[in-house]
Amino acid sequence: ETGVTQTPRHLVMGMTNKKSLKCEQHLGHNAMYWYKQSAKKPLELMFVYNFKEQTENNSVPSRFSPECPNSSHLFLHLHTLQPEDSALYLCASSLHSGDSYNEQFFGPGTRLTVL
Amino acid sequence: EDKVVQSPLSLVVHEGDTVTLNCSYEVTNFRSLLWYKQEKKAPTFLFMLTSSGIEKKSGRLSSILDKKELFSILNITATQTGDSAIYLCAVTNNAGNMLTFGGGTRLMVKP
Repeated sequence: ETGVTQTPRHLVMGMTNKKSLKCEQHLGHNAMYWYKQSAKKPLELMFVYNFKEQTENNSVPSRFSPECPNSSHLFLHLHTLQPEDSALYLCASSLHSGDSYNEQFFGPGTRLTVL
Repeated sequence: EDKVVQSPLSLVVHEGDTVTLNCSYEVTNFRSLLWYKQEKKAPTFLFMLTSSGIEKKSGRLSSILDKKELFSILNITATQTGDSAIYLCAVTNNAGNMLTFGGGTRLMVKP
């Protein structure tokens, strides 16, 4: 176990469904991230949260809605997705102290298939 | 726009071989370069490099950064089948918290 957990590990959903991905970190970190990994494409940063505040939104469609209720938990709410949204969704966390950002630790990911 | 290019895209070697993976980058206000290993799902952290010419080493893996030529290499000596994975290179800028990833190098080590 990496210290960053994600549930569910696999998810199949229809285009009209609403679902949520959950990430939890047990490392005492204060920054959390969502990434999307599609086949044959580099990992893409989606959202960044520092101290529960969203600091980055990399032009992600509104059908993806993040939520960070505290520095240990991060959610990605999904609604009316498209088949091209099928991918591995990875959560990561890191420690931000002053001007310093340490390395990011990744969770095992949720393999999402949109039918 | 920040950019990271890794080469080769894929590599097949036999146990005991030495491999060198390449990562070149273009980033505004470079801060650090990171290497990750991704076997099944979660990328696992290998190295973070911030200064040129200082080799980081962990067992059979080592890495070095050249900030003048804007590249890094990851060396693996005496490869083992357990080294088979995708190796990811990423860079951060001065904001520090945004990783831009390369496409990865898929390494397969055959017995």
